[in-house]
Amino acid sequence: DVVMTQSPLSLPVTLGQPASISCRSSQSLVYSDGNTYLHWFQQRPGQSPRRLIYKVSNRDSGVPDRFSGSGSGTDFTLKISRVEAEDVGIYYCMQGTHWPPWTFGQGTKVEIK
Amino acid sequence: EVQLVESGGALVQPGGSLRLSCAASGFTFSSYWMSWVRQAPGKGLEWVANIKQDGSVKYHVDSVKGRFTISRDNAENSLFLQMNSLRAEDTAVYYCARALSMDVWGQGTTVTVSS
Repeated sequence: DVVMTQSPLSLPVTLGQPASISCRSSQSLVYSDGNTYLHWFQQRPGQSPRRLIYKVSNRDSGVPDRFSGSGSGTDFTLKISRVEAEDVGIYYCMQGTHWPPWTFGQGTKVEIK
Repeated sequence: EVQLVESGGALVQPGGSLRLSCAASGFTFSSYWMSWVRQAPGKGLEWVANIKQDGSVKYHVDSVKGRFTISRDNAENSLFLQMNSLRAEDTAVYYCARALSMDVWGQGTTVTVSS
């Protein structure tokens, strides 16, 4: 199974400052079709998860452009250019290249300092 | 509006059974793989099962194989998870999600396994 490792697991940030979350996979996530099936999800307190980014760097509809995804192979990053109060929550990466199983990272908790 | 609504969660004794449902609306249900994902209290997300558009292909995480079965009814736009031989470690909020990339999620339904 592909293991997804996120860091840090806790990320206190100051409002208006940038934040960065790393996600590393135990195997390359490049699929045979050339795509990389690495996705990012946000789970605000008390809410269901919501997909933010799909296939490394594509923002979902309605996701603010302060969120961006990058990376390749086994190393991926989610960046928030300027953290807002509504960004508080837990962020998960997930791989959909080597399945089953589909595997998530442990989650990174973003909170305001 | 694209929507997924789960139901069927309950308090059940160890060894018991439960059937979860997920009602889909606002999109062509029969065109999508569908997924179940769970979240134990205070824990992260865990993929549980997937099913292909026509129901011909199903995958389950090892920890539930032989106990849980995913199914669907495209005529009723519904996804199901039959859960048998429930254990305390199955206690979680269960979410249904659309597609292998999980682009849409329901609000979740809570399953508690306890005596």
